[in-house]
Amino acid sequence: KQEVTQIPAALSVPEGENLVLNCSFTDSAIYNLQWFRQDPGKGLTSLLLIQSSQREQTSGRLNASLDKSSGRSTLYIAASQPGDSATYLCAVWGTDKLIFGTGTRLQVFP
Amino acid sequence: DTGVSQNPRHKITKRGQNVTFRCDPISEHNRLYWYRQTLGQGPEFLTYFQNEAQLEKSRLLSDRFSAERPKGSFSTLEIQRTEQGDSAMYLCASGINQPQHFGDGTRLSIL
Repeated sequence: KQEVTQIPAALSVPEGENLVLNCSFTDSAIYNLQWFRQDPGKGLTSLLLIQSSQREQTSGRLNASLDKSSGRSTLYIAASQPGDSATYLCAVWGTDKLIFGTGTRLQVFP
Repeated sequence: DTGVSQNPRHKITKRGQNVTFRCDPISEHNRLYWYRQTLGQGPEFLTYFQNEAQLEKSRLLSDRFSAERPKGSFSTLEIQRTEQGDSAMYLCASGINQPQHFGDGTRLSIL
């Protein structure tokens, strides 16, 4: 059974810091991995999708890497801003469904 | 707005009552997924449809839960005889062969 773990569970940093959020999964037989953002009381917004054949994806200040063999992914956020405050969820796509981690709650203060 | 729409946004009901949620996916999406999210946790898969066919149901989906997607368009999720443990955010997502867009969810509170 696929299990997805995210570390840390919560993070509070001053504006401007570079951040690394970690995601690990137990079954390396995945098709792709996605990072989502969730604002309080809202649904999920897809940030980055990495296919299993890829090593990383970049969008603006966000960079996500994938190491299938070790079952790990990291989300790197450069020059964090207060508007980045949200919960970040990692999810792996295996057989016809996304399996989510428990998320990292990020707060960036001015 | 051409995103995934869920109604109602918030439902408060007494234990034992039946509730029904609706999800309107993006029109060209063949797949529709239901997830449940409790406070501080990631979303958990409940069920999904490909067009009108319900292809998989999680063990989380007890006999009190039923989902439909008539004509492969909107979907409904019904919970019968609600229990305290049903309190959660119910999220719907649609996509082409994979959940790509999520709605803002229906938050269910059981009194």
